[in-house]
Amino acid sequence: GDSVTQMEGPVTLSEEAFLTINCTYTATGYPSLFWYVQYPGEGLQLLLKATKADDKGSNKGFEATYRKETTSFHLEKGSVQVSDSAVYFCALQGAQKLVFGQGTRLTINP
Amino acid sequence: GAGVSQSPSNKVTEKGKDVELRCDPISGHTALYWYRQRLGQGLEFLIYFQGNSAPDKSGLPSDRFSAERTGESVSTLTIQRTQQEDSAVYLCASTPLGVGLIYNEQFFGPGTRLTVL
Repeated sequence: GDSVTQMEGPVTLSEEAFLTINCTYTATGYPSLFWYVQYPGEGLQLLLKATKADDKGSNKGFEATYRKETTSFHLEKGSVQVSDSAVYFCALQGAQKLVFGQGTRLTINP
Repeated sequence: GAGVSQSPSNKVTEKGKDVELRCDPISGHTALYWYRQRLGQGLEFLIYFQGNSAPDKSGLPSDRFSAERTGESVSTLTIQRTQQEDSAVYLCASTPLGVGLIYNEQFFGPGTRLTVL
């Protein structure tokens, strides 16, 4: 069945560092891909999405490119801020349901 | 309302008791989803409603779990004879779009944290 694998956390970086959180997937067909973010004490929010191969999703300085050849959707940000501290989930849209990775906890130190 | 709401926000119960968790989706959203998030883990799909029918119940972990939905509004997730392994955050999401579309953004509620003692 469909599955998503994320790099294990926790990840701790200093402010202004470069961020990459790896995500790979297994799916039949061509699913839509998502990154969701869960800030401390808040609900899950959509961060960005890509619906077809080579699409690049972007939001709040974060980017991820849908790579069909490597079945990947890695999340990147050039310069992280303390406010980016959260848990990040990679997900794919299966048959009417989202399939999530296990989440990566990111902590940014000032 | 402005977003998906869930109640209660926290529920502590004793092993063996039944619990009901409620979800109010965004008005007009036809599809509704329940997920479970165990501590330190990703979200597990439980069940999906299109209107008041449930085409996919494949994620319900056992027959102690059931859910229903009234029309295109509120849904209730019921867990009977709760066990300690049921402790988790239960998340509800809704989407305005119907079946068969490529992209369905799901809007999540804040969740219900269930603790079974």
